Amino acid sequence: GQQVMQIPQYQHVQEGEDFTTYCNSSTTLSNIQWYKQRPGGHPVFLIQLVKSGEVKKQKRLTFQFGEAKKNSSLHITATQTTDVGTYFCAGPDSGTYKYIFGTGTRLKVLA
Amino acid sequence: EAGVVQSPRYKIIEKKQPVAFWCNPISGHNTLYWYLQNLGQGPELLIRYENEEAVDDSQLPKDRFSAERLKGVDSTLKIQPAELGDSAVYLCASSFGRGEDTQYFGPGTRLTVL
Repeated sequence: GQQVMQIPQYQHVQEGEDFTTYCNSSTTLSNIQWYKQRPGGHPVFLIQLVKSGEVKKQKRLTFQFGEAKKNSSLHITATQTTDVGTYFCAGPDSGTYKYIFGTGTRLKVLA
Repeated sequence: EAGVVQSPRYKIIEKKQPVAFWCNPISGHNTLYWYLQNLGQGPELLIRYENEEAVDDSQLPKDRFSAERLKGVDSTLKIQPAELGDSAVYLCASSFGRGEDTQYFGPGTRLTVL
């Protein structure tokens, strides 16, 4: 079945360092969305990418959607302690329309 | 604008008991989702509604789980009987359109089955 894997599973960084999480789907996605979930909280929408090769920026966050629409990345520049949480990619399979979340990357930022 | 509302926030029951969760989506959102999230994992879709129609319930364990969204607004998710392995957070989300749109999540119901 469809799988969406994220690497790394965990990442500890010093405050000020950069961070990247990669999202890889076994099937083509119609679009991809990124969510952030703080410890004890619920997923909160960050951004949606729709077009092949699309790149979007939100302040220190840069999101990219792969040319084949099967992978994506989220890059955070100069991490801050407020960036702590788990980052999930998610999206609907372009054929079945089944919506699936990635496995998540848990980010810890050390002050 | 009010967000997605879920109740209860926490529920502790003994195995074999029934339990129900309630969700009120954001006003005007046609699509409603129920997810299950185990600790340290991503949300897993249980069922998706477009208005009152369940358009994807392939992941719903139908022997013990049921859901309804009778008037295309509020929804309830029921487990009967609950098993130990059902302990998890049950998240409800809603979106405006066909399911490709941004999903807004409620705070979730944390279920503990003893």
